[in-house]
Amino acid sequence: AQTVTQSQPEMSVQEAETVTLSCTYDTSESDYYLFWYKQPPSRQMILVIRQEAYKQQNATENRFSVNFQKAAKSFSLKISDSQLGDAAMYFCAYNGDTDKLIFGTGTRLQVFP
Amino acid sequence: DAGVIQSPRHEVTEMGQEVTLRCKPISGHDYLFWYRQTMMRGLELLIYFNNNVPIDDSGMPEDRFSAKMPNASFSTLKIQPSEPRDSAVYFCASSFAGGFRPQHFGDGTRLSIL
Repeated sequence: AQTVTQSQPEMSVQEAETVTLSCTYDTSESDYYLFWYKQPPSRQMILVIRQEAYKQQNATENRFSVNFQKAAKSFSLKISDSQLGDAAMYFCAYNGDTDKLIFGTGTRLQVFP
Repeated sequence: DAGVIQSPRHEVTEMGQEVTLRCKPISGHDYLFWYRQTMMRGLELLIYFNNNVPIDDSGMPEDRFSAKMPNASFSTLKIQPSEPRDSAVYFCASSFAGGFRPQHFGDGTRLSIL
């Protein structure tokens, strides 16, 4: 069975700095998709970024980018120029050959002014 | 465009009562997912539908939980009878063409069973 591990329960960063959130996963599948979702205090789940495993190029969305290492089964999220509004829970998620999303336990990011 | 709409946003009820949570997916989406979020267990998939048909309900915790999708624009998650351990945030999400596509989540229903 596939698993997703987020080993950092909490992280903090100063405004305008860069922070990297870690995610590792375990799978025997070769084709799959990885996601980062953000959950602010308002509790809505918001898609941040998506990576397709067959694409070697790392996905980027404005200040958000990923470091996808397929062989190492690692999928970290880098947030550049952090803003106060980035404070939230961040969840890494995996989708393989089913329609299910498997979520990690989340990392709480605090942003200090 | 309207996103996924869930109601109610908050629900407080007494143990033993029937609870019904409602979800309207994004128009045109053919997949609908129900999740439960708790501090202890994180985000769990309860059940999902494709074209209104339940595909996988292996995450439904007990027979007290049931879900229906009578048409493409409406789904319900029912708990009967409710218990304090059912207290959680319940999310509905929808997507087009499968789980590999981004899932769009509703704002969730915070359920408290006293």
